[in-house]
Amino acid sequence: GAVVSQHPSWVICKSGTSVKIECRSLDFQATTMFWYRQFPKQSLMLMATSNEGSKATYEQGVEKDKFLINHASLTLSTLTVTSAHPEDSSFYICSAESGANTEAFFGQGTRLTVV
Amino acid sequence: GDSVTQMEGPVTLSEEAFLTINCTYTATGYPSLFWYVQYPGEGLQLLLKATKADDKGSNKGFEATYRKETTSFHLEKGSVQVSDSAVYFCAWRYNFNKFYFGSGTKLNVKP
Repeated sequence: GAVVSQHPSWVICKSGTSVKIECRSLDFQATTMFWYRQFPKQSLMLMATSNEGSKATYEQGVEKDKFLINHASLTLSTLTVTSAHPEDSSFYICSAESGANTEAFFGQGTRLTVV
Repeated sequence: GDSVTQMEGPVTLSEEAFLTINCTYTATGYPSLFWYVQYPGEGLQLLLKATKADDKGSNKGFEATYRKETTSFHLEKGSVQVSDSAVYFCAWRYNFNKFYFGSGTKLNVKP
């Protein structure tokens, strides 16, 4: 199947700093990318949906000024966690779709730890 | 509200044992149902899916049947292998909309 590469796989950062996570579709054009977050022992929860060239749509309760999403090209979306706090420590995962069918392709996820 | 409930793990089995991972969902209408698998260090991969009631999805010896009456999509495999050790996620969605995932069930298969 298609490949989605997410980078980095894990990151540790200090409180107050910003962290950028990249999500790339390697062999297809992703018109839509989704960003999910998972807290320990909980479900993967959608944070936002991004369509190439337009502003992301955030789910209720997700701070758009804190979680900046950019989908500048058909193969790359980035999630920037700004002014990170320990409560932002979580597992973040992206998925990408070409819109042609219902199958989504997922990255391997990023484990963020804020200390 | 809309959700997915799947059994908590970890589940530890011996090789060749029978596997069941329970999954029930709450949704209005008739969504498509999915099982995803995540091997260590890799992204979620689609394992199988079913798009309408009574459909059976199957792949690599795994099966799950879309049960509308019980709103369930339990994952089964008759004989697990060590290579099946992974985290399994149950999910549903309507076409091109967001997924609703369960919390994942970690499976450990011992030789």
